[in-house]
Amino acid sequence: KAGVTQTPRYLIKTRGQQVTLSCSPISGHRSVSWYQQTPGQGLQFLFEYFSETQRNKGNFPGRFSGRQFSNSRSEMNVSTLELGDSALYLCASSLDWGTQYFGPGTRLTVL
Amino acid sequence: GNSVTQMEGPVTLSEEAFLTINCTYTATGYPSLFWYVQYPGEGLQLLLKATKADDKGSNKGFEATYRKETTSFHLEKGSVQVSDSAVYFCALIDGGSQGNLIFGKGTKLSVKP
Repeated sequence: KAGVTQTPRYLIKTRGQQVTLSCSPISGHRSVSWYQQTPGQGLQFLFEYFSETQRNKGNFPGRFSGRQFSNSRSEMNVSTLELGDSALYLCASSLDWGTQYFGPGTRLTVL
Repeated sequence: GNSVTQMEGPVTLSEEAFLTINCTYTATGYPSLFWYVQYPGEGLQLLLKATKADDKGSNKGFEATYRKETTSFHLEKGSVQVSDSAVYFCALIDGGSQGNLIFGKGTKLSVKP
């Protein structure tokens, strides 16, 4: 089976812009979770989607949003980018609330 | 709330040395426990897991045993290789965390030839 894929792998944006990241889960997986990884805060949970519904959300501002499509692919959007949003964004898929398998991540740099 | 505490790094070992990375957890329910590994510039790879007390997860020579009495899940390997150099994350998931993984801060391992 193909693994979790994320696009793009690298992004450079400027403050105030918005960005959309994409994640394609492992075939058959209906749960997609998003995490932000930074050197200072480590790995932090953003949100989780299952069958197109957001089931859980972490402590991030409303500028961070996401959605899931009927084929389980997911996108996350960050509006009005800030310097502190520079991070590695990781997507993970699972069958349900079980073992999560991660993609390679999208490295976002905000200038 | 749920939390994971793992030993701070970095850890530097010589090739063929014995590795232990300590991990303890706090959870309200009965969590599943995981070790993930991250190589430079990459995402997280699942290394091993254990879903109930006394289970032993193992993979690629790494082992960890789910100890409920000590709330621990320490990672061990008998003989490390240079290729094991990476950052290792201990994590848990349970109903109390509502499906999201709770991670430790990570331990960077460097293995010298």
